[in-house]
Amino acid sequence: TQLLEQSPQFLSIQEGENLTVYCNSSSVFSSLQWYRQEPGEGPVLLVTVVTGGEVKKLKRLTFQFGDARKDSSLHITAAQPGDTGLYLCAGATDTGANSKLTFGKGITLSVRP
Amino acid sequence: NAGVTQTPKFQVLKTGQSMTLQCAQDMNHNSMYWYRQDPGMGLRLIYYSASEGTTDKGEVPNGYNVSRLNKREFSLRLESAAPSQTSVYFCASTPIGTVPNQPQHFGDGTRLSIL
Repeated sequence: TQLLEQSPQFLSIQEGENLTVYCNSSSVFSSLQWYRQEPGEGPVLLVTVVTGGEVKKLKRLTFQFGDARKDSSLHITAAQPGDTGLYLCAGATDTGANSKLTFGKGITLSVRP
Repeated sequence: NAGVTQTPKFQVLKTGQSMTLQCAQDMNHNSMYWYRQDPGMGLRLIYYSASEGTTDKGEVPNGYNVSRLNKREFSLRLESAAPSQTSVYFCASTPIGTVPNQPQHFGDGTRLSIL
């Protein structure tokens, strides 16, 4: 079983602050996805990273895939209350019809106005 | 654009009762998944169906059964509910397996309490 460790588990910050959260594993992933989940709803995909060292930006969110494809980070610049939610990373070790995602336990982010 | 629809949204059962959670997707996806989400545990895969006519166990299949009724529908059955099965259950679908840049589309979940 491939384990994805997310840290920190909880984070409470003031609006306007910057933050970085992490998703780490001892396994190599063919791709890694980040999802955000709001209360009462299912997770929604933010980004997929595929290539080692890849950096993707989504407005104020910057995602990086580690060179060895074992870890990833999410950096949020000037956090807003609308960024509040549960952030989940999920890795795939292969592709194809029978492939599956392994999810981390998530990071609960609270951004105070 | 309904996406993935789960029913019911909430359910309370007594220990030993049975019930079926329903999931339907209207995106013509081949692969469907059932997860449970517990506080501090993230999403854990119960069963999945790579394509119509196939089902396979995930990480935590004990106490559950599934049926891929057709391409659209994938149901999860609890034959004899136990308090440990109190959780939020999510159904998800993808066009085909796990392909980079293809997200899993999730329903809004079924909140199940077993007393």
